[in-house]
Amino acid sequence: QSVLTQPPSASGTPGQRVTISCSGSSSNIENTYLHWYQQLPGTAPKLLIYRNNQRPSGVPDRFSGSKSGTSASLAISGLRSEDEADYYCAAWDDSLSGWVFGGGTKLTVL
Amino acid sequence: EVQLVESGGVVVQTGGSLRLSCAGSGFTFEDYTMNWVRQAPGKGLEWVSLISWDGGSTYYTDSVKGRFAISRDNSKNSLYLQMNSLRTEDTALYYCVKCRGAGLSSPPDYWGQGTPVTVSS
Repeated sequence: QSVLTQPPSASGTPGQRVTISCSGSSSNIENTYLHWYQQLPGTAPKLLIYRNNQRPSGVPDRFSGSKSGTSASLAISGLRSEDEADYYCAAWDDSLSGWVFGGGTKLTVL
Repeated sequence: EVQLVESGGVVVQTGGSLRLSCAGSGFTFEDYTMNWVRQAPGKGLEWVSLISWDGGSTYYTDSVKGRFAISRDNSKNSLYLQMNSLRTEDTALYYCVKCRGAGLSSPPDYWGQGTPVTVSS
């Protein structure tokens, strides 16, 4: 059971906008930054969004993040086949003194 | 270009020990907090341990406390994970992960390709 909760799956058709949610608690999401990772099949995770809504250089602006209270979401607009991947949210947890991840959401592009 | 290359993963029996290594390049290793994160076959990501830039602070997930020890040698740009009393549930791909900065809660950004650890009974 992951500390952060994500839906196990999500799907969309090319060009659509999809969102992936991530919920936590006051010891993690609410009082610190939330980050998102993309893991393409057979590869290492890649930082997609940091500090709730910041994109590292090279990440397309089709990817955006937001946070409110104990929840956060990742939005992908103009969905492409190459976006098919597992997506993980992560935050520092003050109570656990460590990083916590969501269980991951498998995004399928139909 | 940031590169993280892990090594040391093997098949080991329950109760055995193992030492993972990670060689970093393309960045000033001593300036950054470093982590180990693992991923069991077909499962999600699980943070294992973190070490501050100077090695002065270390943190562990509860399931490995007292069994694993993280360390670093900044003169060699290297990160280590000593794993003792291994259990079958420690079987996973172990990633060496650099943080964006020196702060303990600075987000992990660059990941190595991982080294596989299999604990068999």
